[in-house]
Amino acid sequence: DAGVIQSPRHEVTEMGQEVTLRCKPISGHDYLFWYRQTMMRGLELLIYFNNNVPIDDSGMPEDRFSAKMPNASFSTLKIQPSEPRDSAVYFCASSMNSEAFFGQGTRLTVV
Amino acid sequence: GESVGLHLPTLSVQEGDNSIINCAYSNSASDYFIWYKQESGKGPQFIIDIRSNMDKRQGQRVTVLLNKTVKHLSLQIAATQPGDSAVYFCAVPGGSYIPTFGRGTSLIVHP
Repeated sequence: DAGVIQSPRHEVTEMGQEVTLRCKPISGHDYLFWYRQTMMRGLELLIYFNNNVPIDDSGMPEDRFSAKMPNASFSTLKIQPSEPRDSAVYFCASSMNSEAFFGQGTRLTVV
Repeated sequence: GESVGLHLPTLSVQEGDNSIINCAYSNSASDYFIWYKQESGKGPQFIIDIRSNMDKRQGQRVTVLLNKTVKHLSLQIAATQPGDSAVYFCAVPGGSYIPTFGRGTSLIVHP
């Protein structure tokens, strides 16, 4: 398996634009997590899914953030409209009731 | 949520020395603990885990010690190498193996 695959690796966008981050989890994993990493706040859990169903989205910072998992092999994290303070590295991870496997992350810069 | 803290944000060691990275947790009901390593530009990677019914577990050059009495976890790296330079996180999954991360300790290995 190629591991957790995220795209794009880097995204630079202007304030106010919509941003969509994509994730393909490891096949067979039933948990999917979205994290955000910044120097100030470290690695924060935004939302997680179990069997494609959102379980806890209490970490999502604002209504501008939304996440979907239409099927077991794909998830998106959308920010609309984006703001400079959203600049961070966003990680997707998946697991099967054990350790989580992380993707390489998407480095988002909002200017 | 889980409160996870790390005692030292940065640890500098000489190549060949042993390294010890510490972590405190708050939830006494936690029964599973994981150490991750994050190299620059990459997502966190699983190193080793330990369950609460153990107080020590050894891997290749790494040992994790768990002291449930004081809710303390440590990662020991033997004969530290330059390739060990990274940020190390302890993660304490709550229910359903949802990992919550501390701020991380940056390990710097000097040749």
